[in-house]
Amino acid sequence: AQSVTQPDIHITVSEGASLELRCNYSYGATPYLFWYVQSPGQGLQLLLKYFSGDTLVQGIKGFEAEFKRSQSSFNLRKPSVHWSDAAEYFCAVAAGGTYKYIFGTGTRLKVLA
Amino acid sequence: DAGVIQSPRHEVTEMGQEVTLRCKPISGHNSLFWYRQTMMRGLELLIYFNNNVPIDDSGMPEDRFSAKMPNASFSTLKIQPSEPRDSAVYFCASSLGRDNQPQHFGDGTRLSIL
Repeated sequence: AQSVTQPDIHITVSEGASLELRCNYSYGATPYLFWYVQSPGQGLQLLLKYFSGDTLVQGIKGFEAEFKRSQSSFNLRKPSVHWSDAAEYFCAVAAGGTYKYIFGTGTRLKVLA
Repeated sequence: DAGVIQSPRHEVTEMGQEVTLRCKPISGHNSLFWYRQTMMRGLELLIYFNNNVPIDDSGMPEDRFSAKMPNASFSTLKIQPSEPRDSAVYFCASSLGRDNQPQHFGDGTRLSIL
């Protein structure tokens, strides 16, 4: 069965510092992978997606993620965090040909001024 | 372009009352999803429509929950009768329904059942 694990429930970083949010998935074939961000009181906004090809994908707001098949990981990174990045981040996986997304439990990011 | 539009944004009602949540998907999207988000259970898929037809309602918690999609631009999620444990944020999402097309979410309805 598919599953997604986000091992960090909370992460705190200083503004300007680099960021890496972890995501591990379980799926037999190459999955479709997504990162979403949820600001308070708002819905989920798509940051980036991976389906195939280049394993380093660029997204909006300066985020990128790298797909590593050997580690079953799809970690989200940003070289310099801004205070406006404080939000909750969700990793999701979908099996090819299905509509069902399996979401991780989310990582809440706090940014210190 | 307009995104997924949900109404109301907030709903507070007493237990036993009927609650109706509304969703307008992105124009041209043929797949629609209803999710529920709670602290305890995270994001749960309740029901999925494709071309206005319910394809998978296995996530609907009980018979008190029902969803309809009378046309391509409108869907409702109804709870009758409502209970305090139904309190949650309910999201609607839509997509083009092909494998590599992501889901786009509305801003949600925050439902409180007293």
